[in-house]
Amino acid sequence: DQQVKQNSPSLSVQEGRISILNCDYTNSMFDYFLWYKKYPAEGPTFLISISSIKDKNEDGRFTVFLNKSAKHLSLHIVPSQPGDSAVYFCAASEDGGSQGNLIFGKGTKLSVKP
Amino acid sequence: DAGVTQSPTHLIKTRGQQVTLRCSPKSGHDTVSWYQQALGQGPQFIFQYYEEEERQRGNFPDRFSGHQFPNYSSELNVNALLLGDSALYLCASSSFGVTQYFGPGTRLLVL
Repeated sequence: DQQVKQNSPSLSVQEGRISILNCDYTNSMFDYFLWYKKYPAEGPTFLISISSIKDKNEDGRFTVFLNKSAKHLSLHIVPSQPGDSAVYFCAASEDGGSQGNLIFGKGTKLSVKP
Repeated sequence: DAGVTQSPTHLIKTRGQQVTLRCSPKSGHDTVSWYQQALGQGPQFIFQYYEEEERQRGNFPDRFSGHQFPNYSSELNVNALLLGDSALYLCASSSFGVTQYFGPGTRLLVL
């Protein structure tokens, strides 16, 4: 049973517009969430994270929103650029991340068209 | 500042063989985690090493074992390879926190 779900395998967005990637989780013990970006033939690159004590975290063009009651988080990319085209993974952790076990979703492939 | 490095980049083995994958953590990191990523899936946690000991383990059989050296580098060993072990093996390093930084991975093909 998947504890972290990314229900959209792919997303296509026009350059300059907003990209919204969604992630749902089932384990109420998760209290730290991360987003990673992965290009082909490379390892995942850390983008942004959020603790369950917050509902929003921003870093430049990237913003992550957390809705604990809905067990849902989303990553907003504004404005989207062609270089953002990659697979995006949502990951979750328990105990504030003190444990090593990150649980990943299956990823969403984002295509940003010029 | 070198990031996480892994070797080899690609590997082909046959069923029943054994394989060793290597990882050097990012400078200043003392914790190494290993993940398996099958095609079309997200990475799955295998185990984590800290202070040369296995600190946590995911749902993988004993055929998967590891080691961490005093310089914090790490090895992943897989015995009695199965076709289903074909995957991208990712190493991630961290220190005093959650954020794990990943290497480029080793792609293993078992024939």
